Amino acid sequence: QKEVEQNSGPLSVPEGAIASLNCTYSDRGSQSFFWYRQYSGKSPELIMSIYSNGDKEDGRFTAQLNKASQYVSLLIRDSQPSDSATYLCAVNTGNQFYFGTGTSLTVIP
Amino acid sequence: DVKVTQSSRYLVKRTGEKVFLECVQDMDHENMFWYRQDPGLGLRLIYFSYDVKMKEKGDIPEGYSVSREKKERFSLILESASTNQTSMYLCATRFPLAGGWQETQYFGPGTRLLVL
Repeated sequence: QKEVEQNSGPLSVPEGAIASLNCTYSDRGSQSFFWYRQYSGKSPELIMSIYSNGDKEDGRFTAQLNKASQYVSLLIRDSQPSDSATYLCAVNTGNQFYFGTGTSLTVIP
Repeated sequence: DVKVTQSSRYLVKRTGEKVFLECVQDMDHENMFWYRQDPGLGLRLIYFSYDVKMKEKGDIPEGYSVSREKKERFSLILESASTNQTSMYLCATRFPLAGGWQETQYFGPGTRLLVL
């Protein structure tokens, strides 16, 4: 079983809609959770971090964490074409970081 | 601002060549990592280092070695390049987030290596 699982997509949403990205993880001892955005040919950049159950909002982005269900999600409100990218879910467990394979998002103008 | 640089953005090498990929960070971070990223396989950890001259194997160390003689520099070495090592190579450091106790990873721009 992989440490972090994501639906690879592709996910397509119209401009202005809400994009919902999901991630599950296997280690209940995981403490920190992250979402990275990666444009084609570029390296991942951190967009959200969350450590406590519940929601964390930053501009158009909301991260949601449910430790009981071992589930992390990212909502992107008012999606823009510039949000088109691959989104990586990452989990910090002990000394290591584990990454999902990413969900490809396309926002259609 | 955190800055992580990698020696090359694109590199073309021949099978059997010895290849050096360099990563330099300017933030005095102790932990540095080398990943490779392939379509459908995601990011896979090759090696990491938590201090000068210290190294630990990641998930896929075979065919690679590393060197960390100075804190700011972490080198990945492909002893004898093979075509299955064609990939995007990403260096990262581990750094604290605002608020203190949590850390995350910051990536360099990546090196796209093609082995012919």
